[in-house]
Amino acid sequence: QKEVEQDPGPLSVPEGAIVSLNCTYSNSAFQYFMWYRQYSRKGPELLMYTYSSGNKEDGRFTAQVDKSSKYISLFIRDSQPSDSATYLCAMRTGNTPLVFGKGTRLSVIA
Amino acid sequence: EPEVTQTPSHQVTQMGQEVILRCVPISNHLYFYWYRQILGQKVEFLVSFYNNEISEKSEIFDDQFSVERPDGSNFTLKIRSTKLEDSAMYFCASREDGPTYEQYFGPGTRLTVT
Repeated sequence: QKEVEQDPGPLSVPEGAIVSLNCTYSNSAFQYFMWYRQYSRKGPELLMYTYSSGNKEDGRFTAQVDKSSKYISLFIRDSQPSDSATYLCAMRTGNTPLVFGKGTRLSVIA
Repeated sequence: EPEVTQTPSHQVTQMGQEVILRCVPISNHLYFYWYRQILGQKVEFLVSFYNNEISEKSEIFDDQFSVERPDGSNFTLKIRSTKLEDSAMYFCASREDGPTYEQYFGPGTRLTVT
């Protein structure tokens, strides 16, 4: 079983839709959970960062962590064409390096 | 806003040649990382560096790779004898000290080995 699993998509939605992106993981020692956005041939850009179960909101983005199910989600409200990118989940234990999912490619169609 | 910078943005080299990829981490950060991403695949950890020494490395980071912090601002990744399979995007990242601080990535160097 892979450590972090993420559906690669592609996912295509109309502008204004609510987008749900998900990752599952197998290592119960993971404590810190991140979502990065990556545009084509660019570096990952940190979007959201959580370290506890529950929800964290930042503007149109909500990150959700369910440690009991080993499942994390990112919700994007009122999606815009500029949100079109690949979304990477990543996680780690204390000071360890990040373990990434493969990324979900999202297209928001105007 | 401070950011991680990397040079060059694109490097083309012949198989067997040595390359040095350069990074300038964010100035108050103390942990430095190199990751790579082969086209179409996930971002993979190579090495982490703290207090002037390697703190952790992956199985990818074999003897052909080395890292250095030659001065107070630069962080470099050297690949001694490049192979075709080293072609990838190489990302530098840095973060502050402490487990709750997160990593910020540079824009990457695209390495093409021919």
